[in-house]
Amino acid sequence: EIVMTQSPATLSVSPGERATLSCRASQSVSSNLAWYQQKPGQAPRLLIYGASTRATGIPARFSGSGSGTEFTLTISSLQSEDFAVYYCQQYNNWPLMYTFGQGTKLEIK
Amino acid sequence: QLQLQESGPGLVKPSETLSLTCTVSGGSISSSSYYWGWIRQPPGKGLEWIGSIYYSGSTYYNPSLKSRVTISVDTSKNQFSLKLSSVTAADTAVYYCCGQNIVVVPAQGFDPWGQGTLVTVSS
Repeated sequence: EIVMTQSPATLSVSPGERATLSCRASQSVSSNLAWYQQKPGQAPRLLIYGASTRATGIPARFSGSGSGTEFTLTISSLQSEDFAVYYCQQYNNWPLMYTFGQGTKLEIK
Repeated sequence: QLQLQESGPGLVKPSETLSLTCTVSGGSISSSSYYWGWIRQPPGKGLEWIGSIYYSGSTYYNPSLKSRVTISVDTSKNQFSLKLSSVTAADTAVYYCCGQNIVVVPAQGFDPWGQGTLVTVSS
């Protein structure tokens, strides 16, 4: 099983600043990597797929990069609505298996 | 716009079978463009993929749950369902149904998602 590890567990950033979240895979997942945002009491929302493609309706301040085992989600200028938990997910062997990282909580500094 | 909605009991007794249904609206579950899946999230914890199904009936399960999981599809009702047998307190979670578009390039993650339903395992 491919293990996804996110860092840091919690990230404190001020509004307007840049946030950088990391995700590492235990083996290569090529570019089969998605990022989700989850707010309290809500379902996750797809932000990025294919490691760097923004999903429909996702603002340009969200960007993804990386391939293989190292991935990054960058939020260029944090808005109040961006403070949430973010998960990465690999789907390199879809539909046989999918695994999520443990999440990064992005909180207001 | 594709929308998904989970339904089913919110309380299940230990050792019994958890049963949930996901109703798809705004599109056909028989579309060749989507896989349909179930994901769960224990309170305060992360996300776990349970399994997925194609409209043809082909199923794929998380190996850690495979012995207890059955996912099925009812194209006449535009629904797919989850059964999880022999539940324990560890199966208490919010259960989400979701879709995966398989025709976009590059391959996509899960979108859309249902709102989720909390299932508590307790006597």
